[in-house]
Amino acid sequence: AQTVTQSQPEMSVQEAETVTLSCTYDTSESDYYLFWYKQPPSRQMILVIRQEAYKQQNATENRFSVNFQKAAKSFSLKISDSQLGDAAMYFCAPGRIGNEKLTFGTGTRLTIIP
Amino acid sequence: GAVVSQHPSWVICKSGTSVKIECRSLDFQATTMFWYRQFPKQSLMLMATSNEGSKATYEQGVEKDKFLINHASLTLSTLTVTSAHPEDSSFYICSARAAANYGYTFGSGTRLTVV
Repeated sequence: AQTVTQSQPEMSVQEAETVTLSCTYDTSESDYYLFWYKQPPSRQMILVIRQEAYKQQNATENRFSVNFQKAAKSFSLKISDSQLGDAAMYFCAPGRIGNEKLTFGTGTRLTIIP
Repeated sequence: GAVVSQHPSWVICKSGTSVKIECRSLDFQATTMFWYRQFPKQSLMLMATSNEGSKATYEQGVEKDKFLINHASLTLSTLTVTSAHPEDSSFYICSARAAANYGYTFGSGTRLTVV
């Protein structure tokens, strides 16, 4: 079974600044994906970024990037130039390739300060 | 991009009645769909995984006779909460995946209130 730990229940950042959300996980799998999803007040789950565990290069999507440390089983999300629309709950989720199930962390509520 | 439609977005029902929630993939065929439950300020908990044309696989602790899941076609999965009780009140979210190596797309969720 996979366990996911997001140790920061709440974070806040000044608009235009950078913030990093942490995530650690425990898995015995060798092939898996890692996802970050955001859930704004509308409660719609939105994919932020995805990383394949076999890739050494960290994934990047515009202002969002990850720091993937496979040996440490760490998968942090960095948001640059924070915008008001980034305010949401952020969930980290690993998923085993072939198994398809995602295990979600407890989430980090991100507040953007104008 | 891939779109998943979930209906209704909210529903109120009386104790003892049944409620059906629909999850449709609008522009792709979903070989696998997932049903999650989310309590206020908590994470998503997977309830079951359904594959088109076969029985759903329920997570430990989820009553399969209470939460009936049907995935009769590649574009539609339904979750029926039978004999609903107030403790079943929650936010239910479906997710669909087209095939291996494709991303997961989520519905907009259904807020169920049992009175």
